Amino acid sequence: EVRLLESGGGLVQPGDSLRLSCAASGFTFSSYAMTWVRQTPGKGLEWVAAISGDGIWIYYRDSVKGRFTISRDNSKNTLSLQMSSLRAEDTAVYYCAKNFATGIAVYDFWGQGTPVTVSS
Amino acid sequence: EIVLTQSPGTLSLSPGERATLSCRASQTVGTSYIGWYQQKPGQPPRLLFYATSSRATGIPDRFSGSGSGTDFTLTISRLEPEDFAVYYCQHFSDTFVTFGGGTKVEIK
Repeated sequence: EVRLLESGGGLVQPGDSLRLSCAASGFTFSSYAMTWVRQTPGKGLEWVAAISGDGIWIYYRDSVKGRFTISRDNSKNTLSLQMSSLRAEDTAVYYCAKNFATGIAVYDFWGQGTPVTVSS
Repeated sequence: EIVLTQSPGTLSLSPGERATLSCRASQTVGTSYIGWYQQKPGQPPRLLFYATSSRATGIPDRFSGSGSGTDFTLTISRLEPEDFAVYYCQHFSDTFVTFGGGTKVEIK
């Protein structure tokens, strides 16, 4: 059974840093690209960043480039999102999601999400 | 960046009725690059379709996906009580992913 479990969310102040983690199990982690997607009541679902199975290819949405870093440890089946210089507009529930297959960036499994609140 | 516009924002229907949800892309996209999700309160999205019309595992056949070019449709032939939820379309390219704003299917 595929399982994705996010952790690390919380309440931080603008300008702070936070590291999210996603523990994966039930599939060959290194064979699949992984993605972070966030959701806010106002903006709906928003793709944040993606990383290929081997960690070589990495993509970000423009608004987080230079502030967020996606990474993975295939030896530990863990996906991470290091977030720095956080802004109020980064407030959201952050989901990690497994890509369906190579070259098909839809997401067949999602974690339950971890909430991030950026507020002074 | 492709912008996806979903309509209507809210669809009020009764169980047993047919639901037709629209997703319009800001430019022509390939059918391979469109997906659909269902989301219920307090849950993550659930993949319904990839490549426009390929059903994901476990998705009942009352759900169907269709479309091409800029216009894509999710159809639920006969609404079951568990189908009342929010539905999102999604497009992906090599380097970017966008989601539509969602359509809420509510009980009339």
